[in-house]
Amino acid sequence: DIQMTQSPSSLSASVGDRVTITCQASQDISNYLNWYQQKPGKAPKLLIYDASNLETGVPSRFSGSGSGTDFTFTISSLQPEDIATYYCQQYDNLPPLTFGPGTKVDIK
Amino acid sequence: EVQLVESGGGLVQPGGSLRLSCAASGFTFSSYSMNWVRQAPGKGLEWVSYISSSSSTIYYADSVKGRFTISRDNAKNSLYLQMNSLRDEDTAVYYCAGGFNVWGQGTTVTVSS
Repeated sequence: DIQMTQSPSSLSASVGDRVTITCQASQDISNYLNWYQQKPGKAPKLLIYDASNLETGVPSRFSGSGSGTDFTFTISSLQPEDIATYYCQQYDNLPPLTFGPGTKVDIK
Repeated sequence: EVQLVESGGGLVQPGGSLRLSCAASGFTFSSYSMNWVRQAPGKGLEWVSYISSSSSTIYYADSVKGRFTISRDNAKNSLYLQMNSLRDEDTAVYYCAGGFNVWGQGTTVTVSS
């Protein structure tokens, strides 16, 4: 099974800061990686698919990059409404479809 | 409006059964592969099961294999998860997801005596 790791597990940043989250796969997954945002009590929301493609309607301050085993998710200018937990997910090798452990983002 | 609505959650004793349903609307359900994903209280996301658009391919997480059964009825725009031999560790919010970009609001399953 492919294992996904994320770092950091949590972070605190100021409004307007650039925020970066990394995700690493235990083996090559090409670009078969999604990024989700989940707010408390809500379902996950797809932000980035195929590692770097912005889902329709998602603000352009969100971006993703990487391929193979190493991936990066960036919020270029953190906004108060971005407070959430962010998950990466691989879909190269199913089953299982695996999620990272999540990164909780707070406002400082 | 694109929508998935789960139902069927509730409180059940260990060893019991539940059947979750997911009703789709606003998109061509029959063209989408579907997943069930769960989230235990305070924990991360865990994939549970996958079914292809035609039901020809089905996968399960090892943690539920042999106990859960995924199915769909494209004529009724509905997805199902039959859960048998439930355990305490199955307690979670269960989400249905169409492809990866359409998610329901979740239904809560609590397994407790």
